[in-house]
Order: sequence, then structure tokens, then C-alpha cells
Amino acid sequence: GAVVSQHPSWVICKSGTSVKIECRSLDFQATTMFWYRQFPKQSLMLMATSNEGSKATYEQGVEKDKFLINHASLTLSTLTVTSAHPEDSSFYICSAQRGGLVNIQYFGAGTRLSVL
Amino acid sequence: GENVEQHPSTLSVQEGDSAVIKCTYSDSASNYFPWYKQELGKRPQLIIDIRSNVGEKKDQRIAVTLNKTAKHFSLHITETQPEDSAVYFCAASLGNQFYFGTGTSLTVIP
Repeated sequence: GAVVSQHPSWVICKSGTSVKIECRSLDFQATTMFWYRQFPKQSLMLMATSNEGSKATYEQGVEKDKFLINHASLTLSTLTVTSAHPEDSSFYICSAQRGGLVNIQYFGAGTRLSVL
Repeated sequence: GENVEQHPSTLSVQEGDSAVIKCTYSDSASNYFPWYKQELGKRPQLIIDIRSNVGEKKDQRIAVTLNKTAKHFSLHITETQPEDSAVYFCAASLGNQFYFGTGTSLTVIP
């Protein structure tokens, strides 16, 4: 099956620093990638939709200058949390949609971000 | 936009019993309905899905039913086992837009 790799799995950083999270589709080309945020015992909240070679589409209430998304290739999308603060601490999950197979998403393992 | 509601939020069943989780959606144009299982701290895993041109789909102990008229779909797990304990999410999708339910925490009691 399709594999999506997400790194790092856990990151601890100081307040004010920036953190980059990578999402890679290992064995397929992902025309679209999604970034979600998940709070404990809650559902997946879509942050943005990332299309290769174009600007990401952010959901309402998500600061695009705070959460920078780059989808530079068909196999890689990155989420950079800029000037992280404790309230940004969360579980971030990416998913990739396989080109040609509409609808089906494959999830990364998630990144637990802890901002001190 | 689409609104997906999921019930119940928590569910406990005895091992061997069946579990049913229900979701409703609002946009009749949605045409793809996946179910994901997420164990604590892990990625959501697709366990079964159904498209709008099908009313029911079964894969061993797991089945999904879809009622397009009523705009609801359900996950059925039979002969539950402790390893079925997890959080289950439904979703409704049209194109590359996904809308997730709020999740159901299933506990299977040995």
C-alpha cells in the first residue's frame, strides 16, 4: 500500500523558535497533501490543503504566516511552525492524496510538537 | 460546506459483541465515505470505505452501510476483539475535500 512518511515524530522546542515538519509520499506521487492538527481526544482539524507547485489553501482561522506550507515536489510537503508558542503544542498529521485516485488519503504517522 | 456528525462519542462493548457507529452528513453531493481507525499516538488507518453508488460493503468483521436518501452511513464491527479498541473517525468527501466526524472512542472489554 501507499506509504507516507512524516518527520520528526516528536519535537520539543523553545518558545520563539521555528519548527519544520516534513511529509513525504514514499512510493507514489501526491498531487495534493493535507495538513491537520489534532488535539487530545479530538478529531482531525484541517489546517490547509497543499497542491504541488502552487500556494496552499488555508482553512478559515489558520494563520498562513504562522504555518508556512511548501509543496515543492510531488513527493514532499513541509509545514513550518514559525515563532512557535506553547499554544502551538499539538499533534500535527499530514496526509497525501494519490494522483489519479481521487478521494483516498494516506496519513503520515504524525508529529507531536511540544513548545516550552 | 459539509457537516459531518458522529455518534456515539464513546462506546464500550463486551468482547464478542457487535459495535455500531453512525455518521450523518449534510451535503448530498458527497460521494466517498471512508472510515479510519486511530490508535493512541498513531496515524489514522483507513479500514473500510464506500462510494455513493454502493449501499453496503463488507470486509471480514467490518461492514459499512450507506443510506444516501437519509444521508447517513454506519460502521459495523462484529465479534469485537480487544485489539479493536481505538478511536474511529468517519469522513465524507467530495473531490479532495474531506470532512471528518468528531470520532468515537471504542473500548472492547475482555
